[in-house]
Amino acid sequence: DTAVSQTPKYLVTQMGNDKSIKCEQNLGHDTMYWYKQDSKKFLKIMFSYNNKELIINETVPNRFSPKSPDKAHLNLHINSLELGDSAVYFCASSQGTPYGYTFGSGTRLTVV
Amino acid sequence: QQPVQSPQAVILREGEDAVINCSSSKALYSVHWYRQKHGEAPVFLMILLKGGEQKGHEKISASFNEKKQQSSLYLTASQLSYSGTYFCGTELGGGSNYKLTFGKGTLLTVNP
Repeated sequence: DTAVSQTPKYLVTQMGNDKSIKCEQNLGHDTMYWYKQDSKKFLKIMFSYNNKELIINETVPNRFSPKSPDKAHLNLHINSLELGDSAVYFCASSQGTPYGYTFGSGTRLTVV
Repeated sequence: QQPVQSPQAVILREGEDAVINCSSSKALYSVHWYRQKHGEAPVFLMILLKGGEQKGHEKISASFNEKKQQSSLYLTASQLSYSGTYFCGTELGGGSNYKLTFGKGTLLTVNP
């Protein structure tokens, strides 16, 4: 059973389009995250939700809007995609310290 | 604030040892270590807490020097499967309000 699953795995789209990435975890964790990994492999947090409530919102453009319908799901919608949005987006979940994060397999977004 | 990892890259022959360092300019609550293989998700290795003991499993262990706000990951008798990028992540506090901030990673290559 996949613990944290993301769809789609690959996403190729044109500039200006709107796209969504879905994430689901079956671990019973309360906290879920979106991280962006750029071409230099730098992992940067974007958002964090705890039990459906937005906890952390880094300096991410308003074009990015997360939504958590329940504590097992965290989706990411991106409007008006730009070339600079090309990256791998990872969803993760955690039950808090002293436990680690469990990452999904990632969504490679390419904006052309 | 992003932790600083060193070295940026290391190349080993099978059976050799390596140390990866992670330092922060701020007082830390915890340090996480993850390994990411090419094209895959980061995988949690271990967490070290303020006031906690040195952790380890098999031939991979880590320590946390609270006075210096530094952590080190020790890989002994390296195996081919150890190849990947190692990330440290740091938390300034233990609640869900605190984010995990990653270093830029250390690329470890183990050759036969």
